[in-house]
Amino acid sequence: KNEVEQSPQNLTAQEGEFITINCSYSVGISALHWLQQHPGGGIVSLFMLSSGKKKHGRLIATINIQEKHSSLHITASHPRDSAVYICAVEGTDKLIFGTGTRLQVFP
Amino acid sequence: SQTIHQWPATLVQPVGSPLSLECTVEGTSNPNLYWYRQAAGRGLQLLFYSVGIGQISSEVPQNLSASRPQDRQFILSSKKLLLSDSGFYLCAWSVRQTQYFGPGTRLLVL
Repeated sequence: KNEVEQSPQNLTAQEGEFITINCSYSVGISALHWLQQHPGGGIVSLFMLSSGKKKHGRLIATINIQEKHSSLHITASHPRDSAVYICAVEGTDKLIFGTGTRLQVFP
Repeated sequence: SQTIHQWPATLVQPVGSPLSLECTVEGTSNPNLYWYRQAAGRGLQLLFYSVGIGQISSEVPQNLSASRPQDRQFILSSKKLLLSDSGFYLCAWSVRQTQYFGPGTRLLVL
């Protein structure tokens, strides 16, 4: 069993839909990261969370430390949101990655 | 501002040939440096990380090695590439908790 599990693996949506991607982990962490990987391979860090909730534009990330669970929400999705979204948890100087969720948003 | 460079962007190498991928960071001092690999259809896997010059930790056994000859330079090497070494290699750095990723090198071993 992977230490970091993401669901769903693949997600398609119509433009404007509200999207949720889930991440569960089984190890103790100091922080959790949400990353976005574009088709060309480049990776951008979206959020780093250790508790509660963060918001940036149309993106919202939440974490429940007791339940070892985090969610990434995208409101009013747009085709440019199409990418792979990766959850990663941080132990000591190292990240453990989920396998990613591939999101496609159609106009 | 801090930037991270990787080269080359794409590389096609025959099986058994050597490999050297370079990563350099600008605008920061004494960063933690990381090499990750993403095989086709799979998640990111940490290969090596370094907390200082000459200090390398290996996460998985493989025919790859890493070196950090300077504070802001991290090199990934192999003496003889295998087909299974094909993938997307990402270098990253961190000073506190946030990691910043380079543009990546796509390696195809034929």
